[in-house]
Amino acid sequence: LAKTTQPISMDSYEGQEVNITCSHNNIATNDYITWYQQFPSQGPRFIIQGYKTKVTNEVASLFIPADRKSSTLSLPRVSLSDTAVYYCLVGDLRRNTPLVFGKGTRLSVIA
Amino acid sequence: KAGVTQTPRYLIKTRGQQVTLSCSPISGHRSVSWYQQTPGQGLQFLFEYFSETQRNKGNFPGRFSGRQFSNSRSEMNVSTLELGDSALYLCASGVTGADGELFFGEGSRLTVL
Repeated sequence: LAKTTQPISMDSYEGQEVNITCSHNNIATNDYITWYQQFPSQGPRFIIQGYKTKVTNEVASLFIPADRKSSTLSLPRVSLSDTAVYYCLVGDLRRNTPLVFGKGTRLSVIA
Repeated sequence: KAGVTQTPRYLIKTRGQQVTLSCSPISGHRSVSWYQQTPGQGLQFLFEYFSETQRNKGNFPGRFSGRQFSNSRSEMNVSTLELGDSALYLCASGVTGADGELFFGEGSRLTVL
């Protein structure tokens, strides 16, 4: 399983765009990149998943460069309720291997 | 559509006891995974069940076990509890288990005294 590296923590003011970058230098050809969000005392929640280029949904955007060795989760105009831990995961969806969560990035949104 | 339901939400046990946690997945989901979350170790994978068969297993001692029933409901058991077993135990269900989108319950918080 490809190992991921993320910043331990980030701070942002309300209304700003937040970009969290994840490094996965040894990502394999069949690996997908998935991001989860976790609030205190709750289970993680799926945010977005992608393979290459850009993916956008109602919550976030995921940017993946051509070499796929990193990815960036972009949260537009964050609010206080976006304060959470964000996890980047990499894995081959076809192999039924379990998700491996790293330490994640603790995002604190300040008013 | 009902989400993943875990019971009990909170429980307190003493060392040496055993505990059973229950998880009801989203209707139609055949995969159930269990994770342990502690402040020091983060989220760690315990095991995954699919159609009543254990398909994946994490690196936990044999005191941790689980099973899945024909209706996809799952239970995990921890025997001979240790202080270090205090954690939030999370259950997640998925359609296939490998599609990257798992739906997590709110967890069962176990405190071992």
